[in-house]
Amino acid sequence: AQSVTQLGSHVSVSEGALVLLRCNYSSSVPPYLFWYVQYPNQGLQLLLKYTTGATLVKGINGFEAEFKKSETSFHLTKPSAHMSDAAEYFCAVSDWAAGNKLTFGGGTRVLVKP
Amino acid sequence: GAGVSQSPSNKVTEKGKDVELRCDPISGHTALYWYRQRLGQGLEFLIYFQGNSAPDKSGLPSDRFSAERTGESVSTLTIQRTQQEDSAVYLCASSSPRETLYEQYFGPGTRLTVT
Repeated sequence: AQSVTQLGSHVSVSEGALVLLRCNYSSSVPPYLFWYVQYPNQGLQLLLKYTTGATLVKGINGFEAEFKKSETSFHLTKPSAHMSDAAEYFCAVSDWAAGNKLTFGGGTRVLVKP
Repeated sequence: GAGVSQSPSNKVTEKGKDVELRCDPISGHTALYWYRQRLGQGLEFLIYFQGNSAPDKSGLPSDRFSAERTGESVSTLTIQRTQQEDSAVYLCASSSPRETLYEQYFGPGTRLTVT
């Protein structure tokens, strides 16, 4: 079975400050990992993904994440927050051995203060 | 091209009624997924289709829930005798292993409210 834990259901950052969203996973197979963003009243949009290869993954809107196998983590960062980053962020692991269904973390809602 | 579409966008129903939620995947996407997002919670997997067969129905919460898919096209999620705990946003996603590997494209969701 797979599981994902996101530390902190709410994060508040100042505009221009570092955004750090934490994600730890559990998987019985080498994980494929994803970060999705959900803006109010919208569906999910893929920010970035890790499947194989380079462990530092760059995504859209200046976000990046680093896969650390030893720590079973896939934390999401952005050096400088923008007001438009206010949204909910979901970390997910794919069960590629069973149809690629996604197991999601509980989500982290980001508030950006001016 | 067109993305994943879902209808209706909002549905209010009375407890005990049946509802049907529709998902139109991206053309050519062989895999289709249904997820549920209850208020204040993360997303839960419900069911997965490869073509028109459903190899994994493990996430369906009860026998009141069922889904079908016509070929590699539209899917319908049916909830019978709705209960208040069924209130949630139901999200559909599709993917094609031939394209962006393992990436799922999500629709805007159907917000279901059971009164």
